[in-house]
Amino acid sequence: AQKVTQAQTEISVVEKEDVTLDCVYETRDTTYYLFWYKQPPSGELVFLIRRNSFDEQNEISGRYSWNFQKSTSSFNFTITASQVVDSAVYFCALRDNAGNNRKLIWGLGTSLAVNP
Amino acid sequence: DTGVSQDPRHKITKRGQNVTFRCDPISEHNRLYWYRQTLGQGPEFLTYFQNEAQLEKSRLLSDRFSAERPKGSFSTLEIQRTEQGDSAMYLCASSERRGARSGANVLTFGAGSRLTVL
Repeated sequence: AQKVTQAQTEISVVEKEDVTLDCVYETRDTTYYLFWYKQPPSGELVFLIRRNSFDEQNEISGRYSWNFQKSTSSFNFTITASQVVDSAVYFCALRDNAGNNRKLIWGLGTSLAVNP
Repeated sequence: DTGVSQDPRHKITKRGQNVTFRCDPISEHNRLYWYRQTLGQGPEFLTYFQNEAQLEKSRLLSDRFSAERPKGSFSTLEIQRTEQGDSAMYLCASSERRGARSGANVLTFGAGSRLTVL
């Protein structure tokens, strides 16, 4: 069965610290997609990144970077030099390509608080 | 393109009343999804449309819930005889058709409609 685990429920850091949000997934499929979304206090889920299972290259976008490791079924997200505006709940999600499955399977989210 | 719009943003109702939420997706997106999110949880899938066809429904979608997308554009989600357990944020998302550029499978979410059932 598909499953996404975000073991960290809450993280609190001081501004300018680096922080890594963990995501571990389970799937039997060889073709799948992984996502990270940000949900700020306003409530709207904002897409951050999509990665397919055949692309294990790590990605960097500004202060954000993602480390995808199929060997450990992990897709971790690092924010460098965190800022107060990064405070939000971050969700990792998984989608496979089996049949007509169009659902994303979501983790429970990690609530990040960046304090000034 | 103003993104995905949802209306109303907040709805407070008494148990037993019917409520309807509306979602206007991004115009060129042919896929539309409804999710439900409760406090401290990730979104839970409710249903999915491709154009006007409702292709998948979750078991979470009881008989009191119905969703439509009559012309393949906007969608409505109706909850009949609301119960306190229906209190949640109802999220709508849309996406491009499969294989369409790099945006395939990427869901764009609206701000949600928060339902409180008293």
